[in-house]
Amino acid sequence: DQQVKQNSPSLSVQEGRISILNCDYTNSMFDYFLWYKKYPAEGPTFLISISSIKDKNEDGRFTVFLNKSAKHLSLHIVPSQPGDSAVYFCAASAWNTGNQFYFGTGTSLTVIP
Amino acid sequence: DVKVTQSSRYLVKRTGEKVFLECVQDMDHENMFWYRQDPGLGLRLIYFSYDVKMKEKGDIPEGYSVSREKKERFSLILESASTNQTSMYLCASSLGVGGNEKLFFGSGTQLSVL
Repeated sequence: DQQVKQNSPSLSVQEGRISILNCDYTNSMFDYFLWYKKYPAEGPTFLISISSIKDKNEDGRFTVFLNKSAKHLSLHIVPSQPGDSAVYFCAASAWNTGNQFYFGTGTSLTVIP
Repeated sequence: DVKVTQSSRYLVKRTGEKVFLECVQDMDHENMFWYRQDPGLGLRLIYFSYDVKMKEKGDIPEGYSVSREKKERFSLILESASTNQTSMYLCASSLGVGGNEKLFFGSGTQLSVL
């Protein structure tokens, strides 16, 4: 059973506008959430993370929001750039699962110049 | 920068063959992982290792085994390859234990089993 879900397989956004990627989870024990970015023919690379004790974390153009009551997190990219075109995975872990990370199915973002 | 190297980018094997996928990391990381990525299913954990000669099953270990004889090397073994093991295989490593540890991934091996 998929514990982390990304319900939008793809998203297209104009350059300069905001991209919003969504992620839902079912396990209330998850306490750390990460976003990874993947270009074709490359492995995923870490983008940004958030602990469950926070509801927002910002790093430059990237902001992650966490709504624990809704079991929902989102990644905002402002402004979007063509180089942001990639597949984005959200991942979650719980303190009692050690090193196990649970990944979503990914959202393919296309930023149109 | 951490470098995680997977020995092959593309691999084509026959059903029933024994297949070895090799992964090497150069940053003295304790933990190493093998995932497979399939369309619509995301990344699923096959096995991980938190120390030399130690291994733990992930979500989908059936049909796979692993070996970690040296800290920097983690091998994934398909004992008898089957067509449903056609997939992108990703190796990753992390420094320590805990949910806030970032994973560093290799570029992946696209395995086709015919």
